[in-house]
Amino acid sequence: AQKITQTQPGMFVQEKEAVTLDCTYDTSDPSYGLFWYKQPSSGEMIFLIYQGSYDQQNATEGRYSLNFQKARKSANLVISASQLGDSAMYFCAMRERTQGGSEKLVFGKGTKLTVNP
Amino acid sequence: GAGVSQSPSNKVTEKGKDVELRCDPISGHTALYWYRQSLGQGLEFLIYFQGNSAPDKSGLPSDRFSAERTGGSVSTLTIQRTQQEDSAVYLCASSTGTRGDEQFFGPGTRLTVL
Repeated sequence: AQKITQTQPGMFVQEKEAVTLDCTYDTSDPSYGLFWYKQPSSGEMIFLIYQGSYDQQNATEGRYSLNFQKARKSANLVISASQLGDSAMYFCAMRERTQGGSEKLVFGKGTKLTVNP
Repeated sequence: GAGVSQSPSNKVTEKGKDVELRCDPISGHTALYWYRQSLGQGLEFLIYFQGNSAPDKSGLPSDRFSAERTGGSVSTLTIQRTQQEDSAVYLCASSTGTRGDEQFFGPGTRLTVL
C-alpha cells in the first residue's frame, strides 16, 4: 500500500496567487516526520519544510506553510504569492523505519507545479 | 558552506560493465543516504550510513549493488554488471543524524545503461 499519496500529478497557478499541493500519508507509528521537497528541472532536491507528528502548530517557512491535519493524515503544502521560480516538481515525504532498523524517507509520486505569468 | 556533491553528473555505460558513483556529504554530517529516482519507481531508498555503524542495506535491489563509506565521509555506490533497468538518477543525501533533521540532497548522477 502506498505510504504517501499525492493525488495531483500536475497543478497550474497564476503568478502571485496561492496554491495548495495535497499530500496524505499512512502510518501506524505515533512518532513520524513529514517533509516537503522541491525538485526543479536541474534535478536537485531542495528541502522546503518539516512537520513533526507531535508539533502543536503548523510549520511555516517564509512563503511555505504546511496545513497539518493529523486526524485526516494529511499534510498539504501551501505556497503563498507564487513566483515563476516556483515551477518545479514537489515531493511529499515521510520518515519511517527501515527493515534494517534505521530511518529513510518514503516519497510520494510528486506534483508538477507550473506558475503562469 | 559547500553542499552535498556527487560525481560524475552523468554516466553512460554499456550493459554488463561496472560503475562507481561518488558522494561527498556536507562536512560534519554523520548520516549519509543513497536513493534512486526512476520514472517507473519514483524515489527509492537504497542504503544508509550512520557514523561508524554497520550500514543499513535493506533498500538495495540486488547483490549487484554495494556501497561503502570511507572514514565516515565520502561514499561510493558500486553497481556491478549493470543492466538497463539500472538506468536512473542516483541521489545522495546527508544529515546530522538527529531524528527529524532534514536530509540535504546532492545534484545526483544520471546513469544510462545502453
